[in-house]
Amino acid sequence: SYVLTQPPSVSVAPGKTARITCGGDNIGSESVHWYQQKPGQAPVLVIFYDSDRPSGIPERISGSNSGNTATLTISRVEAGDEADYYCQVWDSSSDHLVFGGGTKLTVL
Amino acid sequence: EVQLLESGGGLVQPGGSLRLSCAASGFTFSDYVMSWVRQAPGKGLEWVSGISGSGVGTHYTDSVTGRFTISRDNSKNTLFLQMSSLRVEDTAVYYCAKDVTRIGGLDHLDHWGQGTLVTVSS
Repeated sequence: SYVLTQPPSVSVAPGKTARITCGGDNIGSESVHWYQQKPGQAPVLVIFYDSDRPSGIPERISGSNSGNTATLTISRVEAGDEADYYCQVWDSSSDHLVFGGGTKLTVL
Repeated sequence: EVQLLESGGGLVQPGGSLRLSCAASGFTFSDYVMSWVRQAPGKGLEWVSGISGSGVGTHYTDSVTGRFTISRDNSKNTLFLQMSSLRVEDTAVYYCAKDVTRIGGLDHLDHWGQGTLVTVSS
């Protein structure tokens, strides 16, 4: 089945830019979705179809996808962005949803 | 406003059974694919199962195939997950989630419930 690889952790200072990667075989040909999960809370969709934002998600959060890597970018990072972030695709070969292992974003 | 409310979690012995429910509101339930996603303590998200709007099409991750059954009652706007032959490794928070797709396939999840904890232990 399709495997998505994320770094376990990313750290960034407030006001700087955080980039969280999601690696997969030719992932650029897939649609990638991103979820934010804060401690004790359910996941929230923050990016869908590589780069679209649901209503209510700030423009500071963006996504891109090309080649073997999809990237979630958070600009002007705030303390409130500290959370776990998961990428997700639909694996057509198995007809399953697949999640990456998750990345813990720490705001220094 | 879309709302998803899970119930039915609890403590169960290995080999036991449990039935989870998810009450949905705020959208036309029968129009959408629904999924169950779980999260073991301190671990990441794992998709467990999905079901088409009509209930005819179902999908399972390999580790639960033959042990878990997903179903829905569209007259009561409720999603179910019948879990049997439970194992210690099934211990997790189980989330009910709404897919964006109406057609029947899986895509991505735009609304999630708050989850219900299932603990499998002797």
